[in-house]
Amino acid sequence: GAVVSQHPSWVICKSGTSVKIECRSLDFQATTMFWYRQFPKQSLMLMATSNEGSKATYEQGVEKDKFLINHASLTLSTLTVTSAHPEDSSFYICSARGGRTGSSYEQYFGPGTRLTVT
Amino acid sequence: QKEVEQNSGPLSVPEGAIASLNCTYSDRGSQSFFWYRQYSGKSPELIMSIYSNGDKEDGRFTAQLNKASQYVSLLIRDSQPSDSATYLCAVGGYTGGFKTIFGAGTRLFVKA
Repeated sequence: GAVVSQHPSWVICKSGTSVKIECRSLDFQATTMFWYRQFPKQSLMLMATSNEGSKATYEQGVEKDKFLINHASLTLSTLTVTSAHPEDSSFYICSARGGRTGSSYEQYFGPGTRLTVT
Repeated sequence: QKEVEQNSGPLSVPEGAIASLNCTYSDRGSQSFFWYRQYSGKSPELIMSIYSNGDKEDGRFTAQLNKASQYVSLLIRDSQPSDSATYLCAVGGYTGGFKTIFGAGTRLFVKA
């Protein structure tokens, strides 16, 4: 299947600092990228959807000024958690959808980034 | 509100048995259907896609789609302990752009 990478795989930061997470589609062009958050033993929560070159569309309840998303190219999207607080500690997972193998409907997930804010 | 419903489980089956995972969805206009597997602490992995009514087989996995009943299922034959994971059903369709809705997942436990 298509490969999506995410960096870093885990990060610990202090409260009040910002953290940037990168998501890359390695072998296909991702026309659309998604950012999810997942708390332990809970289901995936979609945070935002972004199309290359466009502003991200945020889900209800997600603060766009706190979670900055930049989909700069067809292979790269970044999520910046600004002024992080302990309640932002979670598993952040990106997902990409593109035209690989003729299917523009399948979403492929990155390995996730575990964020701990102390 | 478009919904994808799954029994949260856990579904427990003995090793070697058939595990049957079910999913219903609310949007009749849905066009694409997916099953993902998520191991504890890991991200979801796409294991099956199905787009038309009927069965689709891939190794030990069979996806079944019945659009009239708005029902999707995943059968895992010869279940192995390594199949123990949460299985997410996802349904895609156009709502001002293609959107995929994920179910909350069914936890499967395969007993050795």
